[in-house]
Amino acid sequence: GAGVSQSPSNKVTEKGKDVELRCDPISGHTALYWYRQSLGQGLEFLIYFQGNSAPDKSGLPSDRFSAERTGGSVSTLTIQRTQQEDSAVYLCASSLGFGRDQPQHFGDGTRLSIL
Amino acid sequence: KQEVTQIPAALSVPEGENLVLNCSFTDSAIYNLQWFRQDPGKGLTSLLLIQSSQREQTSGRLNASLDKSSGRSTLYIAASQPGDSATYLCAVFTSGTYKYIFGTGTRLKVLA
Repeated sequence: GAGVSQSPSNKVTEKGKDVELRCDPISGHTALYWYRQSLGQGLEFLIYFQGNSAPDKSGLPSDRFSAERTGGSVSTLTIQRTQQEDSAVYLCASSLGFGRDQPQHFGDGTRLSIL
Repeated sequence: KQEVTQIPAALSVPEGENLVLNCSFTDSAIYNLQWFRQDPGKGLTSLLLIQSSQREQTSGRLNASLDKSSGRSTLYIAASQPGDSATYLCAVFTSGTYKYIFGTGTRLKVLA
């Protein structure tokens, strides 16, 4: 269990429901990132945390999206009132720090399907 | 606005060939550039990270170069193997932002 862990691996829910996605970074990694990978749209950067702080939230697609990180470890991405266009794979990554030579390590993602 | 383009979109080669994947970006004020590999249904594996002050990085059969002034990076794969089959993505971190911008990837298939 040394890698980035994401849960659930798959989530199917009805339009209008709220969903919460979880990311457990590699122990000791202070930087954490959320991405969204949609079919036909490539990979989109959503938000970054250094410790518990997110300096720039402008990458979140709408105000229905929020993210938090507590204790400098686990992060949750919450989507309220889900829409069909929210269907995608949500990827989380972490890195030892936020520096020039710190590669990102990715989890396997949460595949979200909105019916 | 930073835009990242990867060419070709797909590539199929016989085993043993040397190959080059291309990545271009529009804003040369970058912090770093990373090359990733993605296998179907999986997350991304970081292959190489090139800092803005560097011109290339090497890891095993992989070599990535960066020409920041012309907005280009190449990933060279030597002696390709079927296990190299995957989608390869480049991502650019632009100075003054907190965002990584990804290209749409090159789908590589190495035939045995």
